[in-house]
Amino acid sequence: DAKTTQPNSMESNEEEPVHLPCNHSTISGTDYIHWYRQLPSQGPEYVIHGLTSNVNNRMASLAIAEDRKSSTLILHRATLRDAAVYYCILRARTNNNDMRFGAGTRLTVKP
Amino acid sequence: ETGVTQSPTHLIKTRGQQVTLRCSSQSGHNTVSWYQQALGQGPQFIFQYYREEENGRGNFPPRFSGLQFPNYSSELNVNALELDDSALYLCASSPGTPQYFGPGTRLTVT
Repeated sequence: DAKTTQPNSMESNEEEPVHLPCNHSTISGTDYIHWYRQLPSQGPEYVIHGLTSNVNNRMASLAIAEDRKSSTLILHRATLRDAAVYYCILRARTNNNDMRFGAGTRLTVKP
Repeated sequence: ETGVTQSPTHLIKTRGQQVTLRCSSQSGHNTVSWYQQALGQGPQFIFQYYREEENGRGNFPPRFSGLQFPNYSSELNVNALELDDSALYLCASSPGTPQYFGPGTRLTVT
């Protein structure tokens, strides 16, 4: 499986944008980029996913580099509730649900 | 709320014992996956079931086994418990994408 690299931790101020980077230099052409987050004492929660084009939903935006070797999850206005561990995961299109999580990025949001 | 429930919430077992963890998925979700999450680490994929058959497995020994039932419930069974099996066990169900995770069962092996 292709590997992802994320910073161990990041900090943000409340109501400011947050850019969470992910490197995936060995991504294959059929790998989708998925982001999940895990709030304290909860199971992981789906955030967003994409293949080549940038994606937006009510939670976040996903910016994918043109060569697809990196991507950035963008939280437009961080709230205290966004404090969580964010995981960037690659999934092959033919793969059902085999999610290979790394260590993720722990996001701290300061009031 | 993801509609995925797990029981029990917490469990304490002794090394060498056997344990069964349960998961109830959303109706219509034919795929269920199980993960093990050690403290401070990301979830590690154990296996997944699709329409009651195992169709993918991570790097876990055969003493980790599972069942999926027609009523969208599933079980994770672990035999001969070891101290290193202490972890949060998560199940996730889906119709495809995304996966919906339950809150997990915290297993402590003493």
